[in-house]
Amino acid sequence: AQSVTQLDSQVPVFEEAPVELRCNYSSSVSVYLFWYVQYPNQGLQLLLKYLSGSTLVKGINGFEAEFNKSQTSFHLRKPSVHISDTAEYFCAVSAIDPTSYDKVIFGPGTSLSVIP
Amino acid sequence: DAGITQSPRYKITETGRQVTLMCHQTWSHSYMFWYRQDLGHGLRLIYYSAAADITDKGEVPDGYVVSRSKTENFPLTLESATRSQTSVYFCASSETGAWNTEAFFGQGTRLTVV
Repeated sequence: AQSVTQLDSQVPVFEEAPVELRCNYSSSVSVYLFWYVQYPNQGLQLLLKYLSGSTLVKGINGFEAEFNKSQTSFHLRKPSVHISDTAEYFCAVSAIDPTSYDKVIFGPGTSLSVIP
Repeated sequence: DAGITQSPRYKITETGRQVTLMCHQTWSHSYMFWYRQDLGHGLRLIYYSAAADITDKGEVPDGYVVSRSKTENFPLTLESATRSQTSVYFCASSETGAWNTEAFFGQGTRLTVV
């Protein structure tokens, strides 16, 4: 079974400052990794995903994440945040198994608040 | 409009009543999912469907019923609502079901059981 930990439930950051949202996972098998963003009163939207290959993954809106297998981490970063980045961010993990669509595990979320 | 839509967006119901949340997608995706979102828990899978007339339980199915007579619709029914079912419910769809492809989410239904 897989599990996901997002250690920071809330992250306040000033506009134009860098931010890192932390995600750690545990799994006995190889995994896919995802970051989703949820803007206020909206559904979830895929930010980026790691399936294989380069461990540095670039997503939409200037976000990137780095897969670190040894540390079982997939931290999300942005060098300079904007007010519009204020949202809830969810890390998710899925076993690499075409039949395990019922086994995607979402973390509890990190609320990013960008301060003007 | 193309996409995935949920209705209603907001619902208040009384304990013991039956309530149905609707989900409609226009992409003809094979897979559809229902999640509930609660503080501190992230999203938890309630039910999913691989195709019309094929459904299966997720992590937290108790108290819920689903059906899928048409590919584009995946309603979720709370047969006898309880306060513990107060939550935000998200429907999602995916072309293949395997999570190397993107899942698309609706805007959510905020359900309050009083």
